Amino acid sequence: SQQGEEDPQALSIQEGENATMNCSYKTSINNLQWYRQNSGRGLVHLILIRSNEREKHSGRLRVTLDTSKKSSSLLITASRAADTASYFCATDAGTGGFKTIFGAGTRLFVKA
Amino acid sequence: DVKVTQSSRYLVKRTGEKVFLECVQDMDHENMFWYRQDPGLGLRLIYFSYDVKMKEKGDIPEGYSVSREKKERFSLILESASTNQTSMYLCASIPRGEGQETQYFGPGTRLLVL
Repeated sequence: SQQGEEDPQALSIQEGENATMNCSYKTSINNLQWYRQNSGRGLVHLILIRSNEREKHSGRLRVTLDTSKKSSSLLITASRAADTASYFCATDAGTGGFKTIFGAGTRLFVKA
Repeated sequence: DVKVTQSSRYLVKRTGEKVFLECVQDMDHENMFWYRQDPGLGLRLIYFSYDVKMKEKGDIPEGYSVSREKKERFSLILESASTNQTSMYLCASIPRGEGQETQYFGPGTRLLVL
């Protein structure tokens, strides 16, 4: 079964609005990452948050992590049409090593 | 910048054919991965390799094999392609070392098996 599950599966917003995507996971983790995938392309790493961190920022991105609830959220502020993509959360297996477990993703559509 | 390339963006093959998907990275990464991506299922790990000639099965290795003869190249082999192997295949790499978790992905190969 998947470790990370994103919510919602799809999101459609107007340019300029904020977009929030959520991720839940099942087992203890050392870190959680968010990736972005433009249609038909490979994934690009956006941000990593470690289990001892609660919030992290990168440009218009804000990620939170709540290890007690086993959940994370990705906020994109002031969205642009170019933010249209699928967004995936990914966690380590929590037992060391480099295996990464990806969720099914949230498809974001930003209307101009 | 790390660059991960995959030999083909699109491939069409027939059932029963042997299919080779090639992945090359130019940053001397030790660890390389093959995933397949299907709608609603996210990325599923097929195989990974942590060094030359070393390989480990992922979550869905059945029907696939891999080859890592050189550090920069990791090949995925479909011994006898079947229609249920129609998918998007993604290669990724990570350097070895503490705190190295970010995966660098290739552009993907979309495979259609008829």
